[in-house]
Amino acid sequence: AQSVSQHNHHVILSEAASLELGCNYSYGGTVNLFWYVQYPGQHLQLLLKYFSGDPLVKGIKGFEAEFIKSKFSFNLRKPSVQWSDTAEYFCAVNEGSGGYQKVTFGTGTKLQVIP
Amino acid sequence: DVKVTQSSRYLVKRTGEKVFLECVQDMDHENMFWYRQDPGLGLRLIYFSYDVKMKEKGDIPEGYSVSREKKERFSLILESASTNQTSMYLCASRRAGTGSEKLFFGSGTQLSVL
Repeated sequence: AQSVSQHNHHVILSEAASLELGCNYSYGGTVNLFWYVQYPGQHLQLLLKYFSGDPLVKGIKGFEAEFIKSKFSFNLRKPSVQWSDTAEYFCAVNEGSGGYQKVTFGTGTKLQVIP
Repeated sequence: DVKVTQSSRYLVKRTGEKVFLECVQDMDHENMFWYRQDPGLGLRLIYFSYDVKMKEKGDIPEGYSVSREKKERFSLILESASTNQTSMYLCASRRAGTGSEKLFFGSGTQLSVL
């Protein structure tokens, strides 16, 4: 079965600092990879996704992620964080094919940005 | 705007009660999911359904069952609630396809079992 590891459970940064959140997955087949974000009091929403092509994907609010197949990684980055990026970030992987496809999430990383 | 609606935002039940959590989506999505979210554990998949009347166990199905009689509705059932089922329950749906489709989430139901 698929597993998704997020190495950082809680990250505290000052505004304008750079961000990188790690994500590793175990599935050896074709993968679709996602980062979701949950702002305080809000629904989970999609930040970005990778399904094929360019391994560097760009998402909303200046976030990007790089898929490195050889390392089974999909790390999230942002060059300069803002206070409004304070949220919990979840890496997720889709496995399976056809009708049987499930989405497995990591344990999440809480990001706190200090003004 | 797309919508996934969970019937209750907060629910308090007693140990041993049968509990129904309802989820309705208005997007004609084939796939629906139930997760529980616990601090430090992220989202863990309980059950999912890839079409009407179809259901598959997720990673933590023990103590739960599901029902999907209509495409828009996916119900999670706790046959006999226990205190370790106190959690935030999230429903999600998505269109069937290649697996790259995004999930749409409901607001969640915070269940407390006393």
